[in-house]
Formats: sequence, C-alpha cells, structure tokens
Amino acid sequence: EAGVTQFPSHSVIEKGQTVTLRCDPISGHDNLYWYRRVMGKEIKFLLHFVKESKQDESGMPNNRFLAERTGGTYSTLKVQPAELEDSGVYFCASTLQGTDTQYFGPGTRLTVL
Amino acid sequence: SQQGEEDPQALSIQEGENATMNCSYKTSINNLQWYRQNSGRGLVHLILIRSNEREKHSGRLRVTLDTSKKSSSLLITASRAADTASYFCATDTGNQFYFGTGTSLTVIP
Repeated sequence: EAGVTQFPSHSVIEKGQTVTLRCDPISGHDNLYWYRRVMGKEIKFLLHFVKESKQDESGMPNNRFLAERTGGTYSTLKVQPAELEDSGVYFCASTLQGTDTQYFGPGTRLTVL
Repeated sequence: SQQGEEDPQALSIQEGENATMNCSYKTSINNLQWYRQNSGRGLVHLILIRSNEREKHSGRLRVTLDTSKKSSSLLITASRAADTASYFCATDTGNQFYFGTGTSLTVIP
C-alpha cells in the first residue's frame, strides 16, 4: 500500500514568489493534516481536512497560506507571496476516520531566499 | 506556547546501551504518540499510549505516561546504529495534535 506522498521534496524560491505544495494521502483516509517545522523549532499544526472540508484551520499563520482539498483526495498548500520566515519543512499526514495514528509524508523542504 | 518539549535535545550513546528520552506537555490529552524521523525522511509512527495507560511496550521500545506530571518517557533498549534519528513526542488533545522539538539520538557503532 502506498504511503502519504508529497511533492516537491524540495523547493527554493525567492521572496514574493508563489509556491504550491501537494500532498497525496493514503487512499481511503478522510483526514488530512498539514504541519510545518521551522528550523530548530517544534512541528506546528496548520490545518485539518475531513474529506474536502476544513475541520480546523486555526494553525494557519496568515492569509498568505491557502489550503485546498477539492474532491477530498489530494490537498494543496499555496503560499503567496512567500516570505523568508515561511522557510521550513512542510509535512502532510493522513488518518483513517476513527483511528488515531497519523501517517506522515516525507515532507517538502521550502527555502525562501 | 509549546505543547510538547523533549529532553534532552541531543543524546549520544554507544551501541548496545539504552536510550531514554522524556517529553513534557501542558494540557490534558487523549493520547501521546512517539515518532521517529530519519534524516531526510518523513515521520514514522512508533507507539501510541492512551491517557488511561501507564506503560506500553513494542519490541525494544518502552513508553511510560504519567498524566499527573504531564510527562512521558521513551526507552529504547539495546540500541543499534540504525536507531540514530530524531525522536518526537506528539500529544493529541482531541482538537489538535502537538509536537515537541525533538531529541536527536546518535548511536555510535
């Protein structure tokens, strides 16, 4: 069974540009989460989808971040315009409804110059 | 504020020794989970302990949970070089999922 996948694995962009990260959860997992880890700091929750609906987006840092999950399958996280402090590793995770274990993707390392 | 903090931040041991990492948190939880991250890879789930459990084992892993002290420990016995990784605790409050800063473990062959 394929795990959670994320694309791209690395992205280097300049301040002010736009970047879109993609996450493909495990097939059949209704719950999808986005997290971010800024260098040396804790991993922080960004938001949680249940199918295509945003269940909790309280962790989104500001309106430069837009997450979508059209059709309830894969999700995208767009940062526009990117700022230097957006650099970090963005993780996606999915869970099967009714279970607790989150399965994480390998993350996307974003560097904003 | 951080929900989870690991201690120590870094740990270096000889192969065969035991490694102990601690995690403290601040609010009530439904469960606490430990994850491992090898360099350049995603987080891998290791073990989950529920708030009504005090100890759990899985292979060479032993996790304890003290809800009165809001702390957990992860013990890796008979460590191997392949255990070298960063280890994170994550607390599930039911509403959100919080990670700590992680413990970087180095096992020297």
